[in-house]
Amino acid sequence: DIELTLSPSFLSASVGDRVIITCRASQYIGRSLGWYQQKPGKAPNLLIYAASTLQSGVPSRFSGSGSGTEFTLTISSLQPEDFATYYCQQIKSYPLTFGGGTKVEI
Amino acid sequence: EVKLVESGGDLVQPGGSLRLSCAASGFTFSDHYMDWVRQAPGKGLEWVGRSRDKVNGYSTEYPASVRGRFTISRDESKNSLYLQMDSLKTEDTAVYYCARNWKDSSGYWVDYWGQGTLVTVSS
Repeated sequence: DIELTLSPSFLSASVGDRVIITCRASQYIGRSLGWYQQKPGKAPNLLIYAASTLQSGVPSRFSGSGSGTEFTLTISSLQPEDFATYYCQQIKSYPLTFGGGTKVEI
Repeated sequence: EVKLVESGGDLVQPGGSLRLSCAASGFTFSDHYMDWVRQAPGKGLEWVGRSRDKVNGYSTEYPASVRGRFTISRDESKNSLYLQMDSLKTEDTAVYYCARNWKDSSGYWVDYWGQGTLVTVSS
């Protein structure tokens, strides 16, 4: 199975901060990585797919980069509504797997 | 409008069975891959299985943690997806989400989720 490791697991930040979250895969996955945002009590929401493609309707302050085994999600200027937990997911091979989550808090 | 509505979550004893349902609307159900994803209380997301589209015979995939115990099926006439869960364990306790995939050149990505249904396995 492909293991995804998110770092940090917890991040304390302020409104306006630039935030970078890293997702490392245990083996090569090309660009088969997506990023999700989840708020408490809600289903996840797709932000980025194919490593760097912004999902329709997602604000442009979110961006993704990387390929192979190392990927990043960047929030250029953190907004109040961005305080949430972020997950990466690989779709390169079965079983599909998620990273453990990064919680972004004030 | 795409809608996914799960139902069937309940309290069940270890070793018991439960069937979850996901009613889909607002899109051509047979054209899409569908997933089940779960989230244990206070924990992260875990993919539980997939039903491919009609063109691919609604074939399924499962992780090792549930293979042989969980079965995904569909009823086209009802636009519904099901998750039959047998031999339930306490570690199966979670909110279960039904999720729709769409196909991009890079693969299949989840673009819609249901609201989730809670399964509690406890004696």
